[in-house]
Amino acid sequence: EVLLVESGGGLVKPGGSLRLSCAGSQFTFSNYNINWVRQAPGKGLEWVSTITRSSSYIYYEDSVRGRFTISRDNVKNSVYLQMKSLRADDTAVYYCARGSPNGELDYWGQGILVTVSS
Amino acid sequence: SYVLTQPPSVSVAPGNTARITCGGKNIETKSVHWYQQRPGQAPMMVISYDNERPPGIPERFSGSNSGDTATLTISRVEAGDEADYYCQVWDGSSDHVVFGGGTKLTVL
Repeated sequence: EVLLVESGGGLVKPGGSLRLSCAGSQFTFSNYNINWVRQAPGKGLEWVSTITRSSSYIYYEDSVRGRFTISRDNVKNSVYLQMKSLRADDTAVYYCARGSPNGELDYWGQGILVTVSS
Repeated sequence: SYVLTQPPSVSVAPGNTARITCGGKNIETKSVHWYQQRPGQAPMMVISYDNERPPGIPERFSGSNSGDTATLTISRVEAGDEADYYCQVWDGSSDHVVFGGGTKLTVL
């Protein structure tokens, strides 16, 4: 069964940094795009970023571009989201999700909570 | 950027049919995917490419896409179908994944 596991979340002060990891298993990791999607408390899903299979293309939602950096290591079957200059409105559960070039997100991790607060 | 519009809530009695709409300009030219999110759980894909069911998803779930509206239809609704449902597309003009605002399905 496809498995995606997020880690690295927690409490951080405004302006601080955090690095999330997403580890994939039970599938050929290098064959798939990986996405980060977040959900603020009580709110809907918000796409954050996508990295394609060989890192050739990287996309960001406008509010995080310049502050967040997505990367991947296909040897370690992992994707990372480096988050800097964090703000209170970045507080959310962050999910990583496997995706295809046509955009469907067919498997999701369980999510990891990031809280930005002083 | 591309916008997807969903009704905030839909209510249906058990055994009846629920229809959740997703509006977007010329959405019929895009592939629409649908996700179910039960309380406290991660989203799960229930329909891909407008009307394809992933393995394990009951036949009661179906989708359609025409004009400016895509629709998720759930037949013979059960109490376990109560959840938030989100539509999603890939917007090639902005290179963005786009989600609708979500619809809370209440089973009366």
